[in-house]
Formats: sequence, structure tokens, C-alpha cells
Amino acid sequence: EAGVAQSPRYKIIEKRQSVAFWCNPISGHATLYWYQQILGQGPKLLIQFQNNGVVDDSQLPKDRFSAERLKGVDSTLKIQPAKLEDSAVYLCASSSVGVLAGGQGIDTQYFGPGTRLTVL
Amino acid sequence: AQTVTQSQPEMSVQEAETVTLSCTYDTSENNYYLFWYKQPPSRQMILVIRQEAYKQQNATENRFSVNFQKAAKSFSLKISDSQLGDTAMYFCAFMKHLGGATNKLIFGTGTLLAVQP
Repeated sequence: EAGVAQSPRYKIIEKRQSVAFWCNPISGHATLYWYQQILGQGPKLLIQFQNNGVVDDSQLPKDRFSAERLKGVDSTLKIQPAKLEDSAVYLCASSSVGVLAGGQGIDTQYFGPGTRLTVL
Repeated sequence: AQTVTQSQPEMSVQEAETVTLSCTYDTSENNYYLFWYKQPPSRQMILVIRQEAYKQQNATENRFSVNFQKAAKSFSLKISDSQLGDTAMYFCAFMKHLGGATNKLIFGTGTLLAVQP
């Protein structure tokens, strides 16, 4: 089974430029997440999609960040314009709810390799 | 709001020895999941082990086991027979249980584990 794919792996841009990241989740996974991981910190959720609808974007800086998941498969995260503080690794994850014995659902998230963004 | 705290920024262990990584969390939820993820230098985040809060029995996965203390809100990871490939950043993470729906992970700041030959 192929894992979560992300591109590019690395990106260096000047501040105020725009950048886009792409994610292809595991086939059949309905839920897709974008996390931002700043150096020395744990990942923080930016946005969560269920199929092609947004479930949670409360932590997304909407004045500069946007994301879409057309057709409920691939997703694109865009930053425009970029700031120095956007330097981070952007992780994409996908999940499909499984069901444990007793009816408890559990969501195991599988992560892609990430895109390391450097804003100069 | 839920928070996850990992108080050990870095740890070191000799190959074949045992090491324990600490994690505490704060939540008012009664039903949730806890995870340990491993992030090697290549950056791919990999699930190590997970624990359902409604289970009293501690989860185990080969050389990895947890000590889940629900009342104390503590969730430590024990790695037995440490191997060089265990060198990585380890993140503790929390997720609310939403009755089958999916939900975001809340991560701690991580513990960098170095296994020495």
C-alpha cells in the first residue's frame, strides 16, 4: 500500500512570495490533515478535511493560508504572501476510521515525509 | 483545551539498555486516545503505539510498552533492548474520542532520543 505522498520535499522562497504544497493521501482515506511543525515544536493542526469538506480550520491563518481538497482526494496548501515565521515543516496526514471491538472507532493517522519550507 | 507535556527535551541510552520517556497531559475528557509517534531524521512520522483511555491494560508492541496512569494523566513509553534505529524524536499525542469520527492530534514538544553504540 502506497503511503502519503507530498511534494516538494524542500522549498526556499523570499518573504512576500507565494508557495504551494501538494499532498496525495493513502487511497481510500476520507480524512486529510495539514500540520505545521516549527523547529523544536510538535506538529500543530492547520486544517482538517473530511472528503472535500472542511472539518476544522480554526488554527489556519486565513489572511495568508488557504487549502483545498477538490474531489476529496489530493489537497493543496498555499501561503500568500509568506512571512519569515512560516518557516517550518508542513506535514500532511490521512486517516480512515477503523472500528475496534466494542464499537469504539479509532483514527490512526499516517503521515507523509513533509515539505521543509525556508522563508528568507 | 487539551495540552500535552513532555518534560525531557533530550535523552540518551546505551544500545541494548532500557529507557523510559515521560508524558503528561491535561484534559477534562473521559474518553480519548493517546499515542507515541517516532520521527527519525528523515522526518517521516511513524506510529509507535496507541492506548485507548477506556482500557486499563497497558498497550505493548514488541519492544515498546506504555505505562498509562489515567488518574495521574501520565503516559510514559518504555523502550526495551534499545537499538541504534530507535534514535529519533519521539512525540506523545492526544486525541479526543468522537464516537467513530476522526479528530486532530495534539502533540507534545517531543523528546530527542539518542541510542549510543
